[in-house]
Amino acid sequence: DTAVSQTPKYLVTQMGNDKSIKCEQNLGHDTMYWYKQDSKKFLKIMFSYNNKELIINETVPNRFSPKSPDKAHLNLHINSLELGDSAVYFCASSQDWGGNYGYTFGSGTRLTVV
Amino acid sequence: AQSVTQLGSHVSVSEGALVLLRCNYSSSVPPYLFWYVQYPNQGLQLLLKYTTGATLVKGINGFEAEFKKSETSFHLTKPSAHMSDAAEYFCAVSDGDAGNMLTFGGGTRLMVKP
Repeated sequence: DTAVSQTPKYLVTQMGNDKSIKCEQNLGHDTMYWYKQDSKKFLKIMFSYNNKELIINETVPNRFSPKSPDKAHLNLHINSLELGDSAVYFCASSQDWGGNYGYTFGSGTRLTVV
Repeated sequence: AQSVTQLGSHVSVSEGALVLLRCNYSSSVPPYLFWYVQYPNQGLQLLLKYTTGATLVKGINGFEAEFKKSETSFHLTKPSAHMSDAAEYFCAVSDGDAGNMLTFGGGTRLMVKP
């Protein structure tokens, strides 16, 4: 059983399209996150979500929006995709709100915008 | 604000040699520190973490790291490198506060020569 699962694993789409990436965790964790990893492997936090409280990294464009139907799911919706959105997106979860026990990561979604 | 600096984006060692990956952090409060490993086309996996207590922490796959407050460092070591250790390694810091998120360093690619 995969602890944090993301779908799809690969996503190729055209500029201007809207797409979603789904994330589910079966660990019973309280907090979930989205990270973006660029081509140089740099990891940037995008969102943190805990019990309906959302913290947004202020540098994230408002074309990106997280949606959480329940505690086990945190999906990422992206409007009007741009070339610069091409990256690997990682979902993660943690047992507590401060991440003191570390995060469990999904295997990533490689988004390519053409 | 917290930050992490990993010295050396690429480190190359021979199989059987000592592995030393450097990490320095900046944090206004006692930090929680983590090392993650990322194998090609996979998500990040927690190697080890320091929260409180013993400053020398042991992780999986024979890795260990020592928290040195005076040097604001958390370097990762392994006595003898294996070919399977070739991967990208990330150091991360958290201040443990609710709502805080892990801040990652830029990563170090470890290459192991036969």
